[in-house]
Amino acid sequence: GENVEQHPSTLSVQEGDSAVIKCTYSDSASNYFPWYKQELGKRPQLIIDIRSNVGEKKDQRIAVTLNKTAKHFSLHITETQPEDSAVYFCAASRVEYGNKLVFGAGTILRVKS
Amino acid sequence: DVKVTQSSRYLVKRTGEKVFLECVQDMDHENMFWYRQDPGLGLRLIYFSYDVKMKEKGDIPEGYSVSREKKERFSLILESASTNQTSMYLCASEEGPGGEKLFFGSGTQLSVL
Repeated sequence: GENVEQHPSTLSVQEGDSAVIKCTYSDSASNYFPWYKQELGKRPQLIIDIRSNVGEKKDQRIAVTLNKTAKHFSLHITETQPEDSAVYFCAASRVEYGNKLVFGAGTILRVKS
Repeated sequence: DVKVTQSSRYLVKRTGEKVFLECVQDMDHENMFWYRQDPGLGLRLIYFSYDVKMKEKGDIPEGYSVSREKKERFSLILESASTNQTSMYLCASEEGPGGEKLFFGSGTQLSVL
C-alpha cells in the first residue's frame, strides 16, 4: 500500500521568510496530492491540492510542486505570517479507488513575529 | 457551507465498553470517512463508506466497525474499548468522483480508562 513520509516534523521561521515542507510517496499510481492545514484545536482544512498531470500549482502565497519521477511533492509558503502557524499534513491517493488518502505525519510550523 | 457534525467533543469510557461515535453531514455527500489522529502519526484511515450500507476497511480497522444506514450518517463502533484506542477521532465527508475535498468534523477526543 501507499506510504507517505513528511519532513521536517517541526519548522520555525521568521515572519516574512519562506517555508518549505516536503513529502515523498511510495505508490507510483497515486494521482492526487492534497495539503491540509490544522490550526490548534480546529479541524483540518484543505488549502491546496495537485493532480499528477500538473507539475506546479499556486494560490496566492502558497504553492505546491510535484515531481512524479522522484515521487515527491512540496508545499511552499512565501511571506509567512503568524496566522500561518499550524500543523500541515500532506496526503496521497488514487482517486479512482475512492480517494482513500494516506496522510503524512504532519509538520508543526511556527512563524515567529 | 458543508457541515459535518460529530455528536461528542469529549468522551470518557471504560475498557470493555461498547462505544458509538456518530457523524452527520448535511450536503448529500457520497463518501464518508473515519480517521484517528495521534501525535507523530498523522491521520490514519479506519473505515470509509462510498454509499449507504457500503463500507470498506481502511488502514487500521482492527477493533472497529461502522454503520451507514442513511446517506447522511456514518457511525464508528468500538465493540470493546481498549486503552490503545484513546485518540482523537475525525469524521469526514466528500462529494465523490470529481470532488475530492474532504470536509472534516470537529473531532471527538476519546479517552478509554
